[in-house]
Amino acid sequence: DAEITQSPRHKITETGRQVTLACHQTWNHNNMFWYRQDLGHGLRLIHYSYGVQDTNKGEVSDGYSVSRSNTEDLPLTLESAASSQTSVYFCASSESGDGGYEQYFGPGTRLTVT
Amino acid sequence: AQKITQTQPGMFVQEKEAVTLDCTYDTSDPSYGLFWYKQPSSGEMIFLIYQGSYDQQNATEGRYSLNFQKARKSANLVISASQLGDSAMYFCAMRESDYKLSFGAGTTVTVRA
Repeated sequence: DAEITQSPRHKITETGRQVTLACHQTWNHNNMFWYRQDLGHGLRLIHYSYGVQDTNKGEVSDGYSVSRSNTEDLPLTLESAASSQTSVYFCASSESGDGGYEQYFGPGTRLTVT
Repeated sequence: AQKITQTQPGMFVQEKEAVTLDCTYDTSDPSYGLFWYKQPSSGEMIFLIYQGSYDQQNATEGRYSLNFQKARKSANLVISASQLGDSAMYFCAMRESDYKLSFGAGTTVTVRA
């Protein structure tokens, strides 16, 4: 069965360190997204990609970067982790085209920056 | 401006009763879709139901129905015959033509036995 996975599921890091969160999907979806979830804010979009070599900034992109070298993966990098980046991070993917294509979400990564 | 507004932070419902979760949205895009997701305490995001902006009928999926009032820009979720397993956070989201989802802040539903 197709799926979307994230690793690690939990991560504790120190302020200033670089951290990379992995996202891998086997749906063969062109669209991939990274969100962060904080209490009272729902999910907010960090970065997204419509295909290989395509990346775009979302509403809360400062301090984060992504790269898309293949269809399956969209790793999220925190260049220099800050305590404000303590959050739960979700990766998602979806098809392109017209229609009610839902986004499929990964299980999430809980990141704590100390 | 907030694209999705969920005004009910938390709700209690008696088991076997129906509950309505409010959602209003704001967009100028003529083509959009509205989604509801459920997030139980385990944390995963579970897709529940979808309504397209051009759909003439309200969407239904089992015990879930979406009350779509386009002129009022509302897309309320109705859960009928509530079960204890329905206790969770519920998010309304909108996808515009760029495929991105905008989420509301969520509503916590607690089902009482």
